Amino acid sequence: GNSVTQMEGPVTLSEEAFLTINCTYTATGYPSLFWYVQYPGEGLQLLLKATKADDKGSNKGFEATYRKETTSFHLEKGSVQVSDSAVYFCALSAPGDGTDKLIFGTGTRLQVFP
Amino acid sequence: DTGVSQDPRHKITKRGQNVTFRCDPISEHNRLYWYRQTLGQGPEFLTYFQNEAQLEKSRLLSDRFSAERPKGSFSTLEIQRTEQGDSAMYLCASKLRQGSSYEQYFGPGTRLTVT
Repeated sequence: GNSVTQMEGPVTLSEEAFLTINCTYTATGYPSLFWYVQYPGEGLQLLLKATKADDKGSNKGFEATYRKETTSFHLEKGSVQVSDSAVYFCALSAPGDGTDKLIFGTGTRLQVFP
Repeated sequence: DTGVSQDPRHKITKRGQNVTFRCDPISEHNRLYWYRQTLGQGPEFLTYFQNEAQLEKSRLLSDRFSAERPKGSFSTLEIQRTEQGDSAMYLCASKLRQGSSYEQYFGPGTRLTVT
């Protein structure tokens, strides 16, 4: 079946450090891929998405590239800020079933210290 | 506030009691989803509606769970005879229509604790 695997956290970084959070997926066909972020006390928010192979999603300095050959969608940011501290979820939406339901990874907590 | 709202935000109940949660989606969004999130895990799909029709239910949704969306507006999720394993965050999301171009917007969730 369809699934998402992402690196376990927490990831602890100093401000201005480079961030990578790994995400790989298993799916039939060509799923759409997403990164959601959950700030403390808030609901899930879409951070970025990519809907076909080699697409790059970007937002707020974060980027992720849809790699079909490695079934990956790693999240990167060149210089993190304290305000980026949150839980990040990788997710996919499988094509063809018409539901658009999201299948999430387990989440990765990011802690950024000044 | 024009986002997805959920009520209550927190619910503590005793095992065996029934609980009902409400979700108000963004106006004009025809799709509404329910997810459940347990501690340390990502959200898991429970069910979804297109307008008032419930089109799919996950195997996670036991017979004790029922969801409705009368008139295609707000939705309710009821859990009968709650069990401790039902303790989780229940998330609601809505989207304008089918298709990956359309974003799912999430509410803040209802945290259920069954004692």
